[in-house]
Amino acid sequence: KQEVTQIPAALSVPEGENLVLNCSFTDSAIYNLQWFRQDPGKGLTSLLLIQSSQREQTSGRLNASLDKSSGRSTLYIAASQPGDSATYLCAVKGSARQLTFGSGTQLTVLP
Amino acid sequence: KAGVTQTPRYLIKTRGQQVTLSCSPISGHRSVSWYQQTPGQGLQFLFEYFSETQRNKGNFPGRFSGRQFSNSRSEMNVSTLELGDSALYLCASSLVVGESDEQYFGPGTRLTVT
Repeated sequence: KQEVTQIPAALSVPEGENLVLNCSFTDSAIYNLQWFRQDPGKGLTSLLLIQSSQREQTSGRLNASLDKSSGRSTLYIAASQPGDSATYLCAVKGSARQLTFGSGTQLTVLP
Repeated sequence: KAGVTQTPRYLIKTRGQQVTLSCSPISGHRSVSWYQQTPGQGLQFLFEYFSETQRNKGNFPGRFSGRQFSNSRSEMNVSTLELGDSALYLCASSLVVGESDEQYFGPGTRLTVT
């Protein structure tokens, strides 16, 4: 059974800092990995999708990497802003063809 | 292009009642999945529909059911509601059924069972 872990559970940084969020998964037989953002009480916004054959994806200030063999992904956020404050969720799609989510990292960027 | 829409956004029901939630996928998307989000269990997969057929089901009791219509709109039903069914129910759609499909989520329906 696939298990996804996100570390840290919460993170507070001053505005302007670069930061890294971590995601690990137990079964490396995945189709893809997706990073989402969730604001309080809201739905999920897709940030980046990495296919199993890819090593990284970039969108603006966000860069996600994938190391399937070690079961790890990182989300790098450059020059953080208060508007980046949200919960960041990592999810993998494996042979069960469903997304398995981590418990998320709650990010607070202080002005 | 409009995103995934879910109705209603908020719902309050009493134990023992039943409820139906609706999801309209992004135009052209044929796969619809449902997830339950609670503070204790996080996000858990309920089921996936493609071309009006349930293709995958999560580990939930039979009180949870769903269906998909020919226009790809989907509904999920929960019968005999329990307090533990209080959650945010999220619907996601994707363009194709395959390893490369990106999931797009709706705003969710917040269900409170009293």
